[in-house]
Order: sequence, then C-alpha cells, then structure tokens
Amino acid sequence: DAKTTQPPSMDCAEGRAANLPCNHSTISGNEYVYWYRQIHSQGPQYIIHGLKNNETNEMASLIITEDRKSSTLILPHATLRDTAVYYCIVRPPLNNNAGNMLTFGGGTRLMVKP
Amino acid sequence: DAGVTQSPTHLIKTRGQQVTLRCSPKSGHDTVSWYQQALGQGPQFIFQYYEEEERQRGNFPDRFSGHQFPNYSSELNVNALLLGDSALYLCASAEAGIYGYTFGSGTRLTVV
Repeated sequence: DAKTTQPPSMDCAEGRAANLPCNHSTISGNEYVYWYRQIHSQGPQYIIHGLKNNETNEMASLIITEDRKSSTLILPHATLRDTAVYYCIVRPPLNNNAGNMLTFGGGTRLMVKP
Repeated sequence: DAGVTQSPTHLIKTRGQQVTLRCSPKSGHDTVSWYQQALGQGPQFIFQYYEEEERQRGNFPDRFSGHQFPNYSSELNVNALLLGDSALYLCASAEAGIYGYTFGSGTRLTVV
C-alpha cells in the first residue's frame, strides 16, 4: 500500500510556481521521500529526493517539514511541458530489501494552463 | 547515451496466449525492475532482477516470470493472458547501490 497521500489534481498558471503537497505521516526515520513525474505516454521521470534537509536541483525544490510528516515539491516557473502526473513516494534505504521497489500511489495530476 | 529501451511498443494478444516483453537497460546499469500500470493508476512493482536472479517480487501471480541475461537485458513473460493483464508494462534500470531509477517508455499490452 502507498504510504503517501496527494491531492488527485491541481491547476497552475504558466510561469507561476507550482506547489505540490504530499502527506507521509507514517514515514520512518530512515525512509527517503522521492518525487517522480509521468508525462502522458511516457515512463516516470525522476525529479528529486531527500531525507531530512530541503533539496534543490535544476528541475525543482523539495521542502520537507521538520517532523518529516509532509513535503512539498516546488516547480518555480511552471511551463506547459510540466503538465503531468506527479508521484510522491516514500522509499526505505537501499540496505533494506524493500528499498529495491518503488510504491506508487495515485499521484497528483498537474495541469499547467496558459 | 541511450536510456532504457523497451520492445515492442505496442502489442495485441488473445486471452490465454503467452507474451514476452523485452528491456535493454541504460548503459552502466545492472539492475532491472518491471512494473505494470493499469489505465489511470500508478505503476505497480512486479519484480526486480540483479546478477541474473530475481531479487524481489511484488504481489503478482506465478504467471508473471522474468529473466535477466549476462548483458543485463531482461525479459518479462506472462502466461495464460487474462483481459485484466491489459496495461502499460514499464521497465526501469539502475546501478546497484545507487538511488534513482531510469524508466523506459513502456510496452502497451492489450489482451482481447
């Protein structure tokens, strides 16, 4: 079973920041938060991951609350090409056999509008 | 550098038949996982192969089997196809011990 809760859909205006929330209230201390996205008719694409600290890369920023029970993925300047389903995933560390698999939930369908 | 390559891209099979799907991992990757994605749902983990052995398996029946070859490529076999096996089958590869999977674009299987 997925260990995360996400809103099923969100809209965002082109050029504005898209803030996608994720609730993972049962996360364990050594589990990571991962974000993937899936554009229509393609395989999921890795975006970013984090453990405790906020993370930023060329695609997005990940903000994890201090109690680690929730996180937010931020796309700073959304474009039409960012329209996709975004998945928030909690993953055990790789030294745990369960860390080999990704457990996807339903994700958030982000629609970026002109 | 080619990413994960899957073949075929689309496939139509009849109920009861058998099917084989193929995956070539990204260069430098030695671990291959397979996922099933039904329409409108998130991908579901089928199994993972490393060093030519199945290392972990999701909640799928024995009709689903796989193989990994010495060159790290992999096959997914599904026997006695059911209508409910219609889905997008995704292959993902990674370098053992390294976070982050690279997914292929998938094989769309339709069972009629």
